[in-house]
Amino acid sequence: NAGVTQTPKFRVLKTGQSMTLLCAQDMNHEYMYWYRQDPGMGLRLIHYSVGEGTTAKGEVPDGYNVSRLKKQNFLLGLESAAPSQTSVYFCASSYSLYNEQFFGPGTRLTVL
Amino acid sequence: AQTVTQSQPEMSVQEAETVTLSCTYDTSESDYYLFWYKQPPSRQMILVIRQEAYKQQNATENRFSVNFQKAAKSFSLKISDSQLGDAAMYFCAYPLNNYQLIWGAGTKLIIKP
Repeated sequence: NAGVTQTPKFRVLKTGQSMTLLCAQDMNHEYMYWYRQDPGMGLRLIHYSVGEGTTAKGEVPDGYNVSRLKKQNFLLGLESAAPSQTSVYFCASSYSLYNEQFFGPGTRLTVL
Repeated sequence: AQTVTQSQPEMSVQEAETVTLSCTYDTSESDYYLFWYKQPPSRQMILVIRQEAYKQQNATENRFSVNFQKAAKSFSLKISDSQLGDAAMYFCAYPLNNYQLIWGAGTKLIIKP
């Protein structure tokens, strides 16, 4: 039982490059989330999903896309990375909004 | 707009002492949940405690308890017998709508040995 895993753990990109972050959970959770965390700020929601095949925008969705083709996986894509996207990215999953969110270990992304 | 405020960017406490972290929020809902999460230096976010707003009784988990004042929209976290392993960032959060939590900016807790 791995919980929530994220790959990669670290990544450095050049401006304009693209990449995909993968999140996987083995708890059969319906809800999955992508957050970014910047210094001095709490978590900000990028996109979320309430079930396989569904996605929705969160607070800061611009510059990101997501997909949830399988219930256990939630992918976050950056089509054209910008320095403003330098951050730590967390994936989380939960049974519902009112239950505990289980977090992955985070991905530190630097965009040069 | 709904907000959540953690007014203490940093707190310090002597080991074995008690510390209280504050959180205030703004919602028009009458039934909701409130959460405290901990993020140690390892960066792993962990749920500390959850409070159901319709319950009068304050939630307790071992050394962690909340002081929930619904009318004042206040949700403080009390840590008793502080331990070195309690050193972390602490975030409070509550539902913005049926799908999203809104998070405070966090309080950094320092434990002095």
